[in-house]
Amino acid sequence: AQSVTQPDIHITVSEGASLELRCNYSYGATPYLFWYVQSPGQGLQLLLKYFSGDTLVQGIKGFEAEFKRSQSSFNLRKPSVHWSDAAEYFCAVGYQAGTALIFGKGTTLSVSS
Amino acid sequence: GAVVSQHPSRVICKSGTSVKIECRSLDFQATTMFWYRQFPKQSLMLMATSNEGSKATYEQGVEKDKFLINHASLTLSTLTVTSAHPEDSSFYICSARGTGDIGNTGELFFGEGSRLTVL
Repeated sequence: AQSVTQPDIHITVSEGASLELRCNYSYGATPYLFWYVQSPGQGLQLLLKYFSGDTLVQGIKGFEAEFKRSQSSFNLRKPSVHWSDAAEYFCAVGYQAGTALIFGKGTTLSVSS
Repeated sequence: GAVVSQHPSRVICKSGTSVKIECRSLDFQATTMFWYRQFPKQSLMLMATSNEGSKATYEQGVEKDKFLINHASLTLSTLTVTSAHPEDSSFYICSARGTGDIGNTGELFFGEGSRLTVL
C-alpha cells in the first residue's frame, strides 16, 4: 500500500541551528511531493512542492527539500531555525495529478533558545 | 493564487444536531474536492472525495449517512455532520483540485479548516 513515513515524531532544535525533517514514501513511480506546516489550531500552509525537474526545491521561509529517488525520500531542511518555526510539519504525497494527498503522521518541531 | 475558503472556522453544537461546513474555491473552479479530518495532535485522514455533480466517494470506515457531502457546483462543496455526537468533535479540512493547468500539477489547495465541538 502507498504510504508516507515521517520517522521523527518530535524534534527539538536550538534557535539558529540547522534542521532536517525526514520523509519517506512508498511508491513505484515518482509521486508529487509536498511539505506543509501547521501552527496550533490553524490550517495548512504549503512550504514547498516537487513535481519534476531539479531535485532540490526551494520553498518559503528559507526552507528547502531534496528529492532522492534512490532513497524514496523528500527531506526538509533549513540552515538556521527561528523560534517562529516551531510548529507541526507534514509531508504529503500525491500519486497522480489531482488525487487526494496522503499525509505522514507529522513531526512536531520545538525550538529552544 | 488559488484560494479555498471554509466556513465556519469554529462551530459548537449540541449533541444530536446537524452542522454544515462549506468549502468554496474563490478564484478557480474545483472539479474535485477532498474532505479530511484531523484529530488533536494527529495527521490528516482522508474522509471522502467529491466530484461536482456526482456522489461522493467515502474512505473505508467513514459513515456516509453521518457525513453528508454535496458538491453541487464547481466552486462549492459542503460537509454536513448529521446527528453530531461528541466523538465527531474534530478539525475538518477541505481541499480542492483545480481545472486546467493548476489541476495538472497535482497540487491541492486547502481551506483554513473548521473546528467542530459537539457538547
